[in-house]
Amino acid sequence: SQKIEQNSEALNIQEGKTATLTCNYTNYSPAYLQWYRQDPGRGPVFLLLIRENEKEKRKERLKVTFDTTLKQSLFHITASQPADSATYLCALDLGSSNTGKLIFGQGTTLQVKP
Amino acid sequence: GAVVSQHPSRVICKSGTSVKIECRSLDFQATTMFWYRQFPKQSLMLMATSNEGSKATYEQGVEKDKFLINHASLTLSTLTVTSAHPEDSSFYICSASLKGSGNQPQHFGDGTRLSIL
Repeated sequence: SQKIEQNSEALNIQEGKTATLTCNYTNYSPAYLQWYRQDPGRGPVFLLLIRENEKEKRKERLKVTFDTTLKQSLFHITASQPADSATYLCALDLGSSNTGKLIFGQGTTLQVKP
Repeated sequence: GAVVSQHPSRVICKSGTSVKIECRSLDFQATTMFWYRQFPKQSLMLMATSNEGSKATYEQGVEKDKFLINHASLTLSTLTVTSAHPEDSSFYICSASLKGSGNQPQHFGDGTRLSIL
């Protein structure tokens, strides 16, 4: 069966450390993979998009990797800050034939402690 | 840029009431809008994909007569929950993208918390 999985347990780290979140999928062949941030009671906010032929993408303190062999994406936040505390969602984008709809993981909640 | 406004943010009403939720793209034209439902501590579940001027495409298990979607213009889509019951209580979120294809981020509204008594 098709699955997309993120670690459902909250990730607690100390300010200044690097946070690493994992997204694994089964029986999908995404053309792209997207990461979003969601704060309580709010809609998700787009962070990064990575293509299947890209191994790594960076934006300021954020880095995303995409391994289509392992069927896994890793999301890193370096020099983490308490303001980075939120739920992070990965989403599979199956490509242009799929009208742009996304398949979301359940999200991992990150708590950065000062 | 790419701001999506969703209204109302919260609705509390009696069982049997129909509720309309609006989703507007404020500074761009959205070819495609999406409607999601999210239960506490769960993922966003896509309900339907809405294209301007055509009928919405519903995901499996979503009743189209229960959840009416109208995408009247490139900046407005509405979701009407007809004859709502307590089990319809949830967080409903819309999103919009510039074109209905892959490789496009989705821009989300801030959601509507629907509580049916």
